[in-house]
Amino acid sequence: DVVMTQSPLSLPVTLGQPASISCRSSQSPAYSDGNTYLSWFQQRPGQSPRRLIYEVSHRDSGVPDRFSGSGSGTDFTLKISRVEAEDVGVYYCMQGTHWPWTFGPGTKVEIK
Amino acid sequence: EVQLVESGGGLVQPGGSLRLSCVASGFTLSSYWMHWVRQDPGKGLVWVSRIYKDVRSTSYVDSVKGRFTISRDDARNTLYLQMNSLRVDDTAVYYCARETHWAPDYWGQGTLVTVSS
Repeated sequence: DVVMTQSPLSLPVTLGQPASISCRSSQSPAYSDGNTYLSWFQQRPGQSPRRLIYEVSHRDSGVPDRFSGSGSGTDFTLKISRVEAEDVGVYYCMQGTHWPWTFGPGTKVEIK
Repeated sequence: EVQLVESGGGLVQPGGSLRLSCVASGFTLSSYWMHWVRQDPGKGLVWVSRIYKDVRSTSYVDSVKGRFTISRDDARNTLYLQMNSLRVDDTAVYYCARETHWAPDYWGQGTLVTVSS
């Protein structure tokens, strides 16, 4: 199975400041159709996961534009331009190219 | 509005069975790959199973093969997960999810399965 790793696992941030989470996959999630099936999810405390980003950099409907995704090959990044209180939670990356789907261990974002 | 509502979780002894249901609304179930994903208590996310049109289009994570069966009733817009020979390490919150762009886009609220004697 493809192993997804994330860093850091814990990220204390100051309100209004930027935040960045890295994700690395043991195999590239690039597919022969030209797409790269790497997604990001947010899980707020007590809630179900919510998809923020699909195919590396495409924001889902309703996701604030302070969230952005980038990367290629085996290295990917989720950035929050200015952290707000509602951004507290755990963030997961996931690859959807190789079966089975695999998720990263999660990065816990908390306010300093 | 897309909604997924799971039910059927509970406390079961090792070796027992449970059937999870997921009722979909706001979209036509038959048009999508549908998945079950579980989350161990306080831990991360693990994909469990998927189904497309029929039972010939199904996949399972190795740890549940031969014990879990995914199915769907498109007339009822409902997804199922029959779980047999349950083990303590199957304890988790089970989410159903719809797929688009090769990833879950909508998730249910989850149903807790606890396997314990």
